[in-house]
Amino acid sequence: QVQLQESGPGLVKPSQTLSLTCTVSGTSITSGGYYWTWIRQHPGKGLEWIGCISYSGTTYYNASLKSRVTISEDMSQNHFSLKLSSVTAADTAVYYCAREYGAGVAFDIWGQGTLVTVSS
Amino acid sequence: DIQMTQSPSSLPASVGDRVTITCRASQSISTYLNWYQQKPGKAPKLLIYAASSLRSGVPSRFSGSGSGTDFTLTISGLQPEDFATYFCQQIYRMPRTFGQGTKLEIK
Repeated sequence: QVQLQESGPGLVKPSQTLSLTCTVSGTSITSGGYYWTWIRQHPGKGLEWIGCISYSGTTYYNASLKSRVTISEDMSQNHFSLKLSSVTAADTAVYYCAREYGAGVAFDIWGQGTLVTVSS
Repeated sequence: DIQMTQSPSSLPASVGDRVTITCRASQSISTYLNWYQQKPGKAPKLLIYAASSLRSGVPSRFSGSGSGTDFTLTISGLQPEDFATYFCQQIYRMPRTFGQGTKLEIK
């Protein structure tokens, strides 16, 4: 079955760049009809959509983070990545990768999430 | 951005109860509305998509309704495993946005 797994440092210093990777198994990220997505959840809070990359490589970002976010894909490794620059304590959150099914239906598959703490 | 507002934020209930959670969108989203369940320390799980379609494998005690700006999630006959936080989410437009969540608690 399709599985997603986040990986990356759990601790990032302020002003540095947060880098996470989501490894996809059970399907190809170039399969048509999906958006590969990053979502975060601040401790004890709601869910914030960060952005996504389509099967064709088109990216969409939340305007609130757009100047600091880059989402990319590596077809050879079947993974997609998140980079968030100039982080502050406000970026401390659990980061999830997810698959948006049907490019407009729902987030049907989620990774388990990874906690990233921004602290010196 | 489309704002999603859920009510209530917290809902005390007992096993066997029928409960309803409401979600309102700041503009019409047709039926581009999904519901997720999240348990502590876990990723959210999709329950309902397109406002009223039950995801395969989700118990039939969960149901969704609504269109336009007003939506509801109903759980008929609460089970112990249903005590969790529920989020609505619009997928009509970018950026995707979520409601703030409703925590279903044991009374």
